[in-house]
This record gives sequence, C-alpha cells and structure tokens, in this order.
Amino acid sequence: DAGVIQSPRHEVTEMGQEVTLRCKPISGHNSLFWYRQTMMRGLELLIYFNNNVPIDDSGMPEDRFSAKMPNASFSTLKIQPSEPRDSAVYFCASSLRTVAYEQYFGPGTRLTVT
Amino acid sequence: QQQVKQSPQSLIVQKGGISIINCAYENTAFDYFPWYQQFPGKGPALLIAIRPDVSEKKEGRFTISFNKSAKQFSLHIMDSQPGDSATYFCAASKGSGAGSYQLTFGKGTKLSVIP
Repeated sequence: DAGVIQSPRHEVTEMGQEVTLRCKPISGHNSLFWYRQTMMRGLELLIYFNNNVPIDDSGMPEDRFSAKMPNASFSTLKIQPSEPRDSAVYFCASSLRTVAYEQYFGPGTRLTVT
Repeated sequence: QQQVKQSPQSLIVQKGGISIINCAYENTAFDYFPWYQQFPGKGPALLIAIRPDVSEKKEGRFTISFNKSAKQFSLHIMDSQPGDSATYFCAASKGSGAGSYQLTFGKGTKLSVIP
C-alpha cells in the first residue's frame, strides 16, 4: 500500500514568494495532520483535520499560513508570503481514527526560503 | 504541563550494546506513550507504544519501561545494530477523549551505533 505522499520533496524559494505544499493521505484515513520540524522547536503540530474539516489550527504560526482539505484524498499547506524563518521540514500525517498514536507520517517537504 | 522532556540529545553505542533513552512528562492526563523512529530524509515512524496499565512492553529488541509514579518512561534497544542508527522521539497523548489526536513530542535523541 502507498503511504502518505507529499510533494514536492524539496522546495527552495525566495522570501516573499508563495509556497504550496501538497499531501495525499493514506486511502481510508479520516484524520490528517500537518507538522513542522526544526532543530530548535522539534516537531510542532500546525493543523488537524478530521473528515476534511479543520478541527484545530491553533498551531498555525501566523495568518501567512493556511491549509485546506478539499476532499478526503488531498490537502495543501500554503505559505504566503514566505519568510526565511519558515525554513523547515513540513510533514503530513494521517490516521484511520482520531486516536493520535496511529498517525502515519509522509516523507516530508524540506522548505528553504532564501 | 504539556511538555515531554527527553534525554540524552545524542547517544553513541557500540554494536551489540544497549541503548537507553529516557523521557519524563508532567501532564497526568497522558495515557498513551509511543516512540517514533526517524531515519534521515524520512518521516517519523511508529516503533512501539505503551499504556500506563503495564510497566513494560517488549517487541523484539525494543523494550519500553514505564514508571507511572515517577512519570517517566524509557526505550531500551538491546543488541544495538548499526541499522538502528536514527533519531528517536518519545511522545505522549491522552489516548482518548478531547484532544486525543494531539501528540506531544520530545526533542529527540540521535542514536549512532558504531561497529
């Protein structure tokens, strides 16, 4: 079975540009999570969707960040405008149930904002 | 109260040795404690998990020990192999009920197993 799919795997962009990260969760999973990983802050939950509906976006750092889940098989995380401090690895994870421990992580997108 | 403190930050173990990583938590509402393994360039993958109604869980060479009164849990890797070299994260969640989706992660331990 295919796991969580993320694209692109690497993104380099200039400050001020819009960045869109994409995620395809595991088929049948009804919960989706976006995380950010940095050396300083570790793994941080940005937003959680259940059945395509955003449930908890308290981790989204600023209004420059937005996330959507138009259907059960696709989600996007958008940063507009991007800043150098947004440089990080962004992970998408999905789970079959809302119980946290069954989260399956994608390979991540390494974002570099210059 | 949401913190999970993990130590050490890095660990070097010889092949065949025992690797031990420790975590401590504060929130007594946590009742599920997973460990994740992350290889370079990959996402974290669930390795093993424990609930506080047991003091130990073993899966192959990996064992979680849990001390509820001390609010501590640890991962032991027996007969450590170079292929175990990765970053290990402990985590905690409520396991059920409101907010159970939220995993609180430790900062990670980079394990290097040398031949």
